[in-house]
Amino acid sequence: AQSVTQLDSQVPVFEEAPVELRCNYSSSVSVYLFWYVQYPNQGLQLLLKYLSGSTLVKGINGFEAEFNKSQTSFHLRKPSVHISDTAEYFCAVSGGSYIPTFGRGTSLIVHP
Amino acid sequence: DTGVSQNPRHKITKRGQNVTFRCDPISEHNRLYWYRQTLGQGPEFLTYFQNEAQLEKSRLLSDRFSAERPKGSFSTLEIQRTEQGDSAMYLCASSHYRANTEAFFGQGTRLTVV
Repeated sequence: AQSVTQLDSQVPVFEEAPVELRCNYSSSVSVYLFWYVQYPNQGLQLLLKYLSGSTLVKGINGFEAEFNKSQTSFHLRKPSVHISDTAEYFCAVSGGSYIPTFGRGTSLIVHP
Repeated sequence: DTGVSQNPRHKITKRGQNVTFRCDPISEHNRLYWYRQTLGQGPEFLTYFQNEAQLEKSRLLSDRFSAERPKGSFSTLEIQRTEQGDSAMYLCASSHYRANTEAFFGQGTRLTVV
């Protein structure tokens, strides 16, 4: 079985400040990890993914994430956020079944 | 490539009525997923198709729910005798047969049961 824990339900931050959204996972097989973003009343859009190779993954909109196998974490970071980054962010894991399992989400709120 | 398409975008129905949603995946994707999302929660897995075969169903998928994917193309999700607890966003996603590729999501169908 696989599961995802997003440690923060809400993260408020001021514009141009750095941000980190935390994600921990559990899985009994090799994992593939994803971060998605969801804007109000929209579907999910992929930000970045880790399949193998370099543990530092860069995605769209200036986001990056680091896979840490020993800590079973895949935290999402951005060095300087914009108002437009305000959205829900979901971490997901998939393994041998190819069925992504999602966390409960983190609401990123960027204040001017 | 027009992305994953879901119809309708919104549906309001009276309790006890049946509803059906449609999902058109990206054309070359053989995997198709249905998820349900309620306010403040992440997507919860409902069911998964590989081509026309329904390979996995969540325990969340009660007997009132049925999904089909005839000919491995579009898919439908039907809810019979709707209840207020069925109110949610229903998301469809598809992915390529190659292992470990990401799922692409549609815009979702928001169901409100009154």
